[in-house]
Amino acid sequence: AQSVTQPDIHITVSEGASLELRCNYSYGATPYLFWYVQSPGQGLQLLLKYFSGDTLVQGIKGFEAEFKRSQSSFNLRKPSVHWSDAAEYFCAVASTSGTYKYIFGTGTRLKVLA
Amino acid sequence: GAGVSQSPSNKVTEKGKDVELRCDPISGHTALYWYRQRLGQGLEFLIYFQGNSAPDKSGLPSDRFSAERTGESVSTLTIQRTQQEDSAVYLCASTPDRGQNQPQHFGDGTRLSIL
Repeated sequence: AQSVTQPDIHITVSEGASLELRCNYSYGATPYLFWYVQSPGQGLQLLLKYFSGDTLVQGIKGFEAEFKRSQSSFNLRKPSVHWSDAAEYFCAVASTSGTYKYIFGTGTRLKVLA
Repeated sequence: GAGVSQSPSNKVTEKGKDVELRCDPISGHTALYWYRQRLGQGLEFLIYFQGNSAPDKSGLPSDRFSAERTGESVSTLTIQRTQQEDSAVYLCASTPDRGQNQPQHFGDGTRLSIL
């Protein structure tokens, strides 16, 4: 079955430290891949997306993600975390053909220590 | 505004009452999705509308849930005889068309609390 796994429910980092949020997917082929961020009381905002081509994609707010086909992973990274990055982060996949459904991971809640 | 608009932002109601949630997508977006987000969980697909095609209702959890959309405009999600397990944030998203290379644009959601 198609699925998205975010193994870390909570992550705490100090401000200025680097960050990596993990995402693994199970899919029949390479899907479209997305990372979204959700601040408290708000909807989801797109950080970045991968469709094809360069496996390292740049997004907004200084985030980047790397697609690794061999590991079925699409991990999100940021070199230096800011206090305003505290939020919940969701990885999502969508089929490259056929079904229009998106599948979301259960999210990783990021806490940033001053 | 240019974004997806949802109303009300918060709704508190008694068990057994009916509730109606509204989503106004981005103008010109033909595809519209409803999701349910329970506390501490991911997004659960509820229903999908694409233009004038028949909606995909496969995610609706029970017959107490229904949704409508007229053309490419506003959608309403109705929950009848609400139960406590219906408490969640209900999110609406829209995309320009059904192509999967379109990221979804989300509203801020409606937080529904059933007493």
